[in-house]
Parts: sequence; structure tokens; C-alpha cells
Amino acid sequence: GAVVSQHPSRVICKSGTSVKIECRSLDFQATTMFWYRQFPKQSLMLMATSNEGSKATYEQGVEKDKFLINHASLTLSTLTVTSAHPEDSSFYICSAERQEGAGNSPLHFGNGTRLTVT
Amino acid sequence: QKEVEQNSGPLSVPEGAIASLNCTYSDRGSQSFFWYRQYSGKSPELIMSIYSNGDKEDGRFTAQLNKASQYVSLLIRDSQPSDSATYLCAVMDFTGTASKLTFGTGTRLQVTL
Repeated sequence: GAVVSQHPSRVICKSGTSVKIECRSLDFQATTMFWYRQFPKQSLMLMATSNEGSKATYEQGVEKDKFLINHASLTLSTLTVTSAHPEDSSFYICSAERQEGAGNSPLHFGNGTRLTVT
Repeated sequence: QKEVEQNSGPLSVPEGAIASLNCTYSDRGSQSFFWYRQYSGKSPELIMSIYSNGDKEDGRFTAQLNKASQYVSLLIRDSQPSDSATYLCAVMDFTGTASKLTFGTGTRLQVTL
């Protein structure tokens, strides 16, 4: 079953408004979560690394004041897209690393959030 | 800039055949490798992970890793139409305190009847 839950799965908002996306690890604690964005027919691009109890680490070219990340607990990270514009329309996916023994720690992904900004 | 290269495809195989998906990576120091399956409009689903040279089998899937050649592959035996999806190769690197996953652009697999 799913190990990472993401909500909402789909959101449509008007230009200039803000949208919050939640990502939860379901049966494990995740000190680090990752936020990806995927445009049509392209691969996943890492936006930022969310660190529990500290500031997120943003990838080059990603505006930290536009994409606010909060990782307030070991099972929850949120991404808020502020003052959304049509070019922010994309598929946003969170992931968390789950320790699975013997040094194995694959990333598991949430179901993604399809954001459409009109 | 770490890179992960995949042929975008589409790779078309008949039902029941073996599908072979390939991936190369640029960082010789990379240690962890993953194959994800992504259906259109959905998020990636972990298929296989491999950490050491050689083959790793799980059901119809076999991952192969050759660190000397910086090459990782995924074989799908007895391909089914439900295997039709985009397969993403991913390489994980550790940067100080955090790990970072770099994805290839994916190979689209079509299994035909």
C-alpha cells in the first residue's frame, strides 16, 4: 500500500492566489522529504529538500519566497505555491526516504498534485 | 552536473517478450540506483532498487548494475500490456547530510498485443 500520502490530488486556482499541498509519511518518520515538479513529457525535477525542524534547501532556479516549504513534524511537509501564475501549472510530487534495512533507503512518492492556475 | 541518460523510446515489444531498458549515469561515485514506473498522469512507483554490481531479480523484473561501465538496466520478462508505461532510471547521491535523487528522462515502453 501507499507509504506517502499527498493531498490534494488536483487543484484549480485563480492567478494570484496561494495553494497549499500536504505530504505525509504514513508508517514511518521522515526527517527529509523532497518536492519535485514535472511538466508534461518531461522528467521529474527536484525543487527542494524539506528538512524537519530547519529551513528547506532549494535547487538552483527555484524561488524560495514563491514556493514555501514547512516541515513541522517528522511525518508532514507542506508546499505552498504563493501568488500562483499560469506558468506554475504543473504536476507536483512529494517523496520521502524510508529506511528499509541493510543500507537500503529508496524514495517513495506521493500520488502527486495536479495544479492548474487559470 | 550529474546526469542520467535514457533512450526516450518508445520501446515497443510484443506481449510475452522480454523488454530491456537501459540507463547510463555520469557520476562514477554513485552508489544507489532505482527503477520507477510511471503511468501517464500518475506519480512514480518504485519497481526495483540495486546497490551492488550484478543482477537482482524480483518476479518478472531483473535489474542489472555495472558500476565500471556506469550502466544500469531493467529487464521485464513475459511483458504484459499493463507494463506499458514510462520507466524512470534514478541515481541517488549523498551530499553531506542529505541524499539527492537524479532522474533520467524516462523510456516509454509499449507492450503490444
